Amino acid sequence: AQSVAQPEDQVNVAEGNPLTVKCTYSVSGNPYLFWYVQYPNRGLQFLLKYITGDNLVKGSYGFEAEFNKSQTSFHLKKPSALVSDSALYFCAVRLYSSASKIIFGSGTRLSIRP
Amino acid sequence: DTGVSQNPRHKITKRGQNVTFRCDPISEHNRLYWYRQTLGQGPEFLTYFQNEAQLEKSRLLSDRFSAERPKGSFSTLEIQRTEQGDSAMYLCASSLTSGSTDTQYFGPGTRLTVL
Repeated sequence: AQSVAQPEDQVNVAEGNPLTVKCTYSVSGNPYLFWYVQYPNRGLQFLLKYITGDNLVKGSYGFEAEFNKSQTSFHLKKPSALVSDSALYFCAVRLYSSASKIIFGSGTRLSIRP
Repeated sequence: DTGVSQNPRHKITKRGQNVTFRCDPISEHNRLYWYRQTLGQGPEFLTYFQNEAQLEKSRLLSDRFSAERPKGSFSTLEIQRTEQGDSAMYLCASSLTSGSTDTQYFGPGTRLTVL
């Protein structure tokens, strides 16, 4: 069965410092991996996705994520955090062969202090 | 930019009542998804449509839940005889088939509170 784990409920970072939000996945085939961000009382906004090819994927708002097949990880990163990055971040996975649902992790709350 | 829209944004109802939510996808998108999100959790898949055909339903979708997409455009999600456990955010997403790489774009959600 597919699953996604986000081991940290909360990540706290000072503004200007690099940030990492961790994600590991478990699938039986080739995965499609996604990161979404959710601001209070709003739906999910797409940040980036990994399909195939280059392991480093660049997305919106200066975020990037690195796919590591041997460690089954897809960590979200940003070189310099902004206070406005404070939000709830979800990692998600979909099987290559599936046209339908994506499986979400439980979310990581990112808090950037000024 | 016309993204995915959902109505109503909030719904408060009494236990036992029926409720219906509407989702309008991005206009050219042929796939439409419903998810449910409870506090502190990630969204959980409920069902999805390709055009007007409902192709998959989760075991989470009990007999009290029904979804339709009659003309392959907007969709409705109805919950009959609501229970307090139905209280959640109901999210709709849409995507355009592009090989197997389509990305799901989400609406703002409908927050349901069952008293």
